[in-house]
Amino acid sequence: DTGVSQDPRHKITKRGQNVTFRCDPISEHNRLYWYRQTLGQGPEFLTYFQNEAQLEKSRLLSDRFSAERPKGSFSTLEIQRTEQGDSAMYLCASSYWTDPAEAFFGQGTRLTVV
Amino acid sequence: GNSVTQMEGPVTLSEEAFLTINCTYTATGYPSLFWYVQYPGEGLQLLLKATKADDKGSNKGFEATYRKETTSFHLEKGSVQVSDSAVYFCALSIAKGGSEKLVFGKGTKLTVNP
Repeated sequence: DTGVSQDPRHKITKRGQNVTFRCDPISEHNRLYWYRQTLGQGPEFLTYFQNEAQLEKSRLLSDRFSAERPKGSFSTLEIQRTEQGDSAMYLCASSYWTDPAEAFFGQGTRLTVV
Repeated sequence: GNSVTQMEGPVTLSEEAFLTINCTYTATGYPSLFWYVQYPGEGLQLLLKATKADDKGSNKGFEATYRKETTSFHLEKGSVQVSDSAVYFCALSIAKGGSEKLVFGKGTKLTVNP
């Protein structure tokens, strides 16, 4: 296991299109997080899964955003009807229940909405 | 609410100089504190952490001490190297049995010149 992987690394899409990102966490980690990072800012929390259950969502996560983690393994983050303000780096992180705050991050998916 | 404030960059130092990056926090409850580092082209990596007051986290020559009385967690290194050039993020999480999501500062870009 080489860590948290995210796909794609880069995505350019036209405004109004739907996009989906995938995150594969470290295999034994039961917690999975999505964060968003804009230029010059630190990452901001979007949502959190414990196994397959989505237990917390930020107010940043508008109804155009949806995340899933079927079977408690990989996760997907979908953005519908993208807007230019959605342009950001989307980061996935995972952690183990014994040390939940020590999160391991993927390299992120950079989304550009044109 | 919970927040992290860290010194604004960019910070430019010569090799072997002393580094301090200031970080202060506001938290409801008893946070764990972290420094994450983002090297160019790579994902966020945990640099060090401290989980209770007066704990000192250390790694790769970097140190930070959890100061509850001043609500601070300043990052220090006695002699920086060119390879330390990166963006450094201070972060906290609250262990309340919930998501334990991370709250990040805006980041400080460090450039070390030979």
